[in-house]
Amino acid sequence: DAKTTQPPSMDCAEGRAANLPCNHSTISGNEYVYWYRQIHSQGPQYIIHGLKNNETNEMASLIITEDRKSSTLILPHATLRDTAVYYCIVSPPSMDSSYKLIFGSGTRLLVRP
Amino acid sequence: EPEVTQTPSHQVTQMGQEVILRCVPISNHLYFYWYRQILGQKVEFLVSFYNNEISEKSEIFDDQFSVERPDGSNFTLKIRSTKLEDSAMYFCASTPSGWGNEQFFGPGTRLTVL
Repeated sequence: DAKTTQPPSMDCAEGRAANLPCNHSTISGNEYVYWYRQIHSQGPQYIIHGLKNNETNEMASLIITEDRKSSTLILPHATLRDTAVYYCIVSPPSMDSSYKLIFGSGTRLLVRP
Repeated sequence: EPEVTQTPSHQVTQMGQEVILRCVPISNHLYFYWYRQILGQKVEFLVSFYNNEISEKSEIFDDQFSVERPDGSNFTLKIRSTKLEDSAMYFCASTPSGWGNEQFFGPGTRLTVL
């Protein structure tokens, strides 16, 4: 089962920031938090990941709380093309692991015109 | 920018037939995966492959499934005798190394079993 909890749906206005929360209260010290999204039935698209520090790339920012039990994905200026299902995934760290991704139900983000 | 490719984009087959889904991972990647997504459901892990062998497989990945990296570039998923419930999108993914690296997904193959 997924080790994360996300709201099933959210919406935001085009041009505004979209803030998608994720709870991962059982995360262990060397597990990364990954964010992917899926538009319709396309292949999941990587957005960003982080371990402890906040991260930013050209797509989004990732804010991880100090205790690492939750995080927020921020799309700074959402567009209609950002309408998708967003998945927050904690990836196991062990050398014995295959580093598989366990997808939950994600958050369906609707960006309104 | 390098990307994972999959062929065919859509495969229609009769129940009981064998199908082979093909993937070309990104060239310097070392870990390879197959996932599937039944319509309206979650993306599910099927199998991971590293160093020319399966490193982990899910309960879904039974004896009807097999994977192969026949020539150092292609990565294939074979379903020996398809069932109606195998109808799904199948996604291939690859990553350069395990910990701390993102997986890159292909566009998927839609398998329809009639």
